[in-house]
Amino acid sequence: AQSVSQHNHHVILSEAASLELGCNYSYGGTVNLFWYVQYPGQHLQLLLKYFSGDPLVKGIKGFEAEFIKSKFSFNLRKPSVQWSDTAEYFCAVNDNDYKLSFGAGTTVTVRA
Amino acid sequence: EAGVVQSPRYKIIEKKQPVAFWCNPISGHNTLYWYRQNLGQGPELLIRYENEEAVDDSQLPKDRFSAERLKGVDSTLKIQPAELGDSAVYLCASTSGSYEQYFGPGTRLTVT
Repeated sequence: AQSVSQHNHHVILSEAASLELGCNYSYGGTVNLFWYVQYPGQHLQLLLKYFSGDPLVKGIKGFEAEFIKSKFSFNLRKPSVQWSDTAEYFCAVNDNDYKLSFGAGTTVTVRA
Repeated sequence: EAGVVQSPRYKIIEKKQPVAFWCNPISGHNTLYWYRQNLGQGPELLIRYENEEAVDDSQLPKDRFSAERLKGVDSTLKIQPAELGDSAVYLCASTSGSYEQYFGPGTRLTVT
């Protein structure tokens, strides 16, 4: 089974600061990678995904993620966060099966 | 297009009582998932359906949990009897021939 590790449990930063959330997974074969976001009181939403091709993928709301195969990583970035980015962020992986393995999540708090 | 619908949104029961959760997936989505999300953790798969067939129920605690998707559309997840450790958010997700899953708002279960 896949193992997904998110390095930070809780990140607190000020508006306009840059954000980077780490994600590492255990499987060495072909994988599909996802970042989901859960805003307060809302359901899980897909932020971005990587299936193949350009390892730098862009998602909604100015987020991007880079797949580095040699490091088994798929880190999420945003150059300048807003108060509305306050949410919980989940990295998820599947290895061409339909089963998604999630990390424990990172809570991001953006102070105005 | 309507998203994944779940009900109830919240449920509080005493231990040893039964409880049921209902999910209606996005129209046309033949694959349906039930996940459990414990506090401070990512979602964990309980069961996956392809149409009305449960194709992966390896993580479902079968002594007390059951699920059905009789007509290949909506689905019900049941716990009987509930235990204190079952307190969690129960998520339903659906997809149609894709690795991208769409999640419902979840049912927050509290067992007292």
